[in-house]
Amino acid sequence: ETGVTQTPRHLVMGMTNKKSLKCEQHLGHNAMYWYKQSAKKPLELMFVYSLEERVENNSVPSRFSPECPNSSHLFLHLHTLQPEDSALYLCASSQGPTDTQYFGPGTRLTVL
Amino acid sequence: TQLLEQSPQFLSIQEGENLTVYCNSSSVFSSLQWYRQEPGEGPVLLVTVVTGGEVKKLKRLTFQFGDARKDSSLHITAAQPGDTGLYLCAGVSYENAGKSTFGDGTTLTVKP
Repeated sequence: ETGVTQTPRHLVMGMTNKKSLKCEQHLGHNAMYWYKQSAKKPLELMFVYSLEERVENNSVPSRFSPECPNSSHLFLHLHTLQPEDSALYLCASSQGPTDTQYFGPGTRLTVL
Repeated sequence: TQLLEQSPQFLSIQEGENLTVYCNSSSVFSSLQWYRQEPGEGPVLLVTVVTGGEVKKLKRLTFQFGDARKDSSLHITAAQPGDTGLYLCAGVSYENAGKSTFGDGTTLTVKP
């Protein structure tokens, strides 16, 4: 199994839908991250979890709700999104929060 | 807030040419990573450098970490179309509580 997997790879949703993005890491890491990458913009760190505790929330709107049930899984629950939320959502993991990060393939999200 | 500045932002060259991409900061980094990202995919780690003055080679790619650990360069020899992609540098700094900072990236296009 590859290091960091994300599902689904592509998601189209309406503004009133509720959906969830899933990330799983098979590297035995203790830290996991959500990033947003919009066209022609740098990576934006959204959330950081270390040992299943959220250690960073970079002023992300409440319509994005992360969940980390264990050190291998990370979810991003989506609710009443806006079209400007359309982007590539990347999950990453690292041994610890200061170590090299390994990324998943991303979920391409389109909000209609 | 520390910044990692990458230059050039865009680079378009012919197959067989050499190129160098730069990653600069005023902050000192305990480690620095280079990633390559293809459209619609997540960044893939190429290398981590940790020692000032360190040089690492990965086939036709040569990575150098500055002596003061504030900057890094990526040199590609005889570029090929398969090298096309977004090159990102990221640094971990104790000045930023060990958090990773990502540069804006260099978009490289190698034309056959």
